[in-house]
Amino acid sequence: AQTVTQSQPEMSVQEAETVTLSCTYDTSESDYYLFWYKQPPSRQMILVIRQEAYKQQNATENRFSVNFQKAAKSFSLKISDSQLGDAAMYFCAYNSNYQLIWGAGTKLIIKP
Amino acid sequence: ETGVTQTPRHLVMGMTNKKSLKCEQHLGHNAMYWYKQSAKKPLELMFVYNFKEQTENNSVPSRFSPECPNSSHLFLHLHTLQPEDSALYLCASSHATRQEKNIQYFGAGTRLSVL
Repeated sequence: AQTVTQSQPEMSVQEAETVTLSCTYDTSESDYYLFWYKQPPSRQMILVIRQEAYKQQNATENRFSVNFQKAAKSFSLKISDSQLGDAAMYFCAYNSNYQLIWGAGTKLIIKP
Repeated sequence: ETGVTQTPRHLVMGMTNKKSLKCEQHLGHNAMYWYKQSAKKPLELMFVYNFKEQTENNSVPSRFSPECPNSSHLFLHLHTLQPEDSALYLCASSHATRQEKNIQYFGAGTRLSVL
């Protein structure tokens, strides 16, 4: 079965520090896309970053970057210089047969 | 302004009521989705519409009935729901479904409580 596992139900980080959220997935496909979405208290799911599986270079978007380990089927999200506005639920997902397979999420708390 | 708008934001209904959730997207997308989000569980895909045609129905009970009159509007009709149907219902849209790289854009959801 295709699954996505986020092993950290909750993480906390001091403002301005760096935090890494973990994600592993299970698939037999060789070409796919991976995503991190953020869901703040406003409830709207917002795309943070996207990685193409056939690209070895890790994707980056400003303070957000990923560590993509294809062989290990690992896709972690690193947030640098954490800000109060980063507090949210973070969901990892990958696209399989045009459907998104989701993890259960990690709640990120930012300590001022 | 979000490109995907869902109404209402909150809904409380009894098990014998009939209600509808509405989703509208202003992004020019061709695909629309309904998801159910329950606490501490992965998002569950319910329905997918591609160019107004339903392409996925993930074993959703018949008490949930989707309708997609055009590529910009999506409805979820609810009747005789159960308390376990209480959840956040999210709508999303994307350019097309048959592209792995397609990005889904979400609305803010409808928080549904079934009494």
